[in-house]
Amino acid sequence: GAVVSQHPSWVICKSGTSVKIECRSLDFQATTMFWYRQFPKQSLMLMATSNEGSKATYEQGVEKDKFLINHASLTLSTLTVTSAHPEDSSFYICSARGGWTDTQYFGPGTRLTVL
Amino acid sequence: GENVEQHPSTLSVQEGDSAVIKCTYSDSASNYFPWYKQELGKRPQLIIDIRSNVGEKKDQRIAVTLNKTAKHFSLHITETQPEDSAVYFCAASSLPTGNQFYFGTGTSLTVIP
Repeated sequence: GAVVSQHPSWVICKSGTSVKIECRSLDFQATTMFWYRQFPKQSLMLMATSNEGSKATYEQGVEKDKFLINHASLTLSTLTVTSAHPEDSSFYICSARGGWTDTQYFGPGTRLTVL
Repeated sequence: GENVEQHPSTLSVQEGDSAVIKCTYSDSASNYFPWYKQELGKRPQLIIDIRSNVGEKKDQRIAVTLNKTAKHFSLHITETQPEDSAVYFCAASSLPTGNQFYFGTGTSLTVIP
């Protein structure tokens, strides 16, 4: 139980294009989903927290117009990196939390490379 | 906000020895402390967690201790095996009001066969 999937697992795109990453809770309803960014050999940096049906809460320094988050249902959240640039290249990981548990379950991550 | 510090950043141990990773936190309202293991290129996986009403929790070779007064908690791995090699992250959260997990900077553990 408590499986979280992410798609795509990796993506390469040209500078200026937009990329959408999906995060799904497969066997539970996620009351809250989180989006993290992780640089090599570094910790998880929280970008935003999203609750189903409401606007995401962004962490300080994260541009909400650049990183669009939509939590349309209790099992799906999407992160869209708009007008991607090479500095947006990173490992993006989502996590989800259901109402019965305190912990967060992580997706497998998406490796984004912007050329 | 909460600040979680984690030490050491790297740790090498011989197979069969014990490994200890320590974390401190600053917010006395934090009451939930999970530990995650992340292998290279993979997702973080919960390995053990502890709540503030408990001082110690053990699961086979893994144990976590919590000292609320000193605001620190530790992960103990006994009889280490090569497959324990990974990056370990501690985190703190103040549930149920606080959704956010504040992560430590991670410890890269290498178990030498």
